Amino acid sequence: RKEVEQDPGPFNVPEGATVAFNCTYSNSASQSFFWYRQDCRKEPKLLMSVYSSGNEDGRFTAQLNRASQYISLLIRDSKLSDSATYLCVVISLGVGYGGSQGNLIFGKGTKLSVKP
Amino acid sequence: EAQVTQNPRYLITVTGKKLTVTCSQNMNHEYMSWYRQDPGLGLRQIYYSMNVEVTDKGDVPEGYKVSRKEKRNFPLILESPSPNQTSLYFCASSLYQGAVEQYFGPGTRLTVT
Repeated sequence: RKEVEQDPGPFNVPEGATVAFNCTYSNSASQSFFWYRQDCRKEPKLLMSVYSSGNEDGRFTAQLNRASQYISLLIRDSKLSDSATYLCVVISLGVGYGGSQGNLIFGKGTKLSVKP
Repeated sequence: EAQVTQNPRYLITVTGKKLTVTCSQNMNHEYMSWYRQDPGLGLRQIYYSMNVEVTDKGDVPEGYKVSRKEKRNFPLILESPSPNQTSLYFCASSLYQGAVEQYFGPGTRLTVT
């Protein structure tokens, strides 16, 4: 069973569209959640943290549902510059959760392509 | 400028020829790690270090070595590279293990023939 699973994508959307990405995680002991953005052949960069109460940063909204072990990222009014791969990232504290406690576990990413 | 640097950025080598990929950060971070990224497999952690002289295996450590003799440097060593180690490698650092943000280096694209 995959530890962090994301929509496989790719998502091809027109400018101005609203797009949502989903992510599920398997370890209920997971503590922290993030979305990273990775441009083609570049390094990943932190986009935003995800809090239980939900959080918003401009056109981006992240939600966490601990009961369902589910994280989402909503992008409103998509721009061409939003084209990238979005990585769901989880930090878990618990035995046998890949690597060691406190390490980041990355989903495989969802590719977004925004077209004019 | 706060950054993580890696060298080389691109490397083509042959099976069995030892190589080292250097990683350096100037943010006084305690935690450093190495990842490899492969199509369809995402980012997988190779090794990590919580502080000087403290290193541990990640998810895919086979065929790799690391060292952490100084806080700022965390080199990745391939003693005898094989074609299945052809990949995109990222070094990353953060204030501590589990910190909100990890800072990634620009990546090293390695091809082993």
